[in-house]
Amino acid sequence: DTGVSQNPRHKITKRGQNVTFRCDPISEHNRLYWYRQTLGQGPEFLTYFQNEAQLEKSRLLSDRFSAERPKGSFSTLEIQRTEQGDSAMYLCASSLSIDSGELFFGEGSRLTVL
Amino acid sequence: AQRVTQPEKLLSVFKGAPVELKCNYSYSGSPELFWYVQYSRQRLQLLLRHISRESIKGFTADLNKGETSFHLKKPFAQEEDSAMYYCVLRSEKLVFGKGMKLTVNP
Repeated sequence: DTGVSQNPRHKITKRGQNVTFRCDPISEHNRLYWYRQTLGQGPEFLTYFQNEAQLEKSRLLSDRFSAERPKGSFSTLEIQRTEQGDSAMYLCASSLSIDSGELFFGEGSRLTVL
Repeated sequence: AQRVTQPEKLLSVFKGAPVELKCNYSYSGSPELFWYVQYSRQRLQLLLRHISRESIKGFTADLNKGETSFHLKKPFAQEEDSAMYYCVLRSEKLVFGKGMKLTVNP
């Protein structure tokens, strides 16, 4: 399967713990996006990379959130000192920069903070 | 500000009925709009984009700049159309509406 891969698929953690999600994009895609989705809402943009450069970050991305794409391939999204409000589905997507209207999404990583 | 509004959260119709999923947008530039769909237990995926002006799975959407709308229409809904539908506006990133759940009953 050459689609976007995310892991873990589910993560349950206690408030205050750190969590990290990984995303492996489609190999030839140079853009990688992170979105967050809560119940009843559409995906909300968090950040995106073009190759290894992080080009934009949403105000939703507090200082407890950090994302990296060190070699322009896979990406990680870390949440430090998790809060219950961080509970959500974290979606990763990738695209070609020449056609960034079509995003290919992963299945998401669902975070539950107790 | 970039904003996408899908005024209805739920739409339930019977098979063969016409459907229209409403979308309004707010954007100061020249908009580029899309509809994304998520079927049950599947990934979010692109359904259609306004630039291509094509019909996908019987769905069409026309960009109306005067009314700032991009409604999705299908004349005869099928059960397999049941899904979550998101209207999406593109700037540097994609801005999603809150989505609408379409249920097509047999």
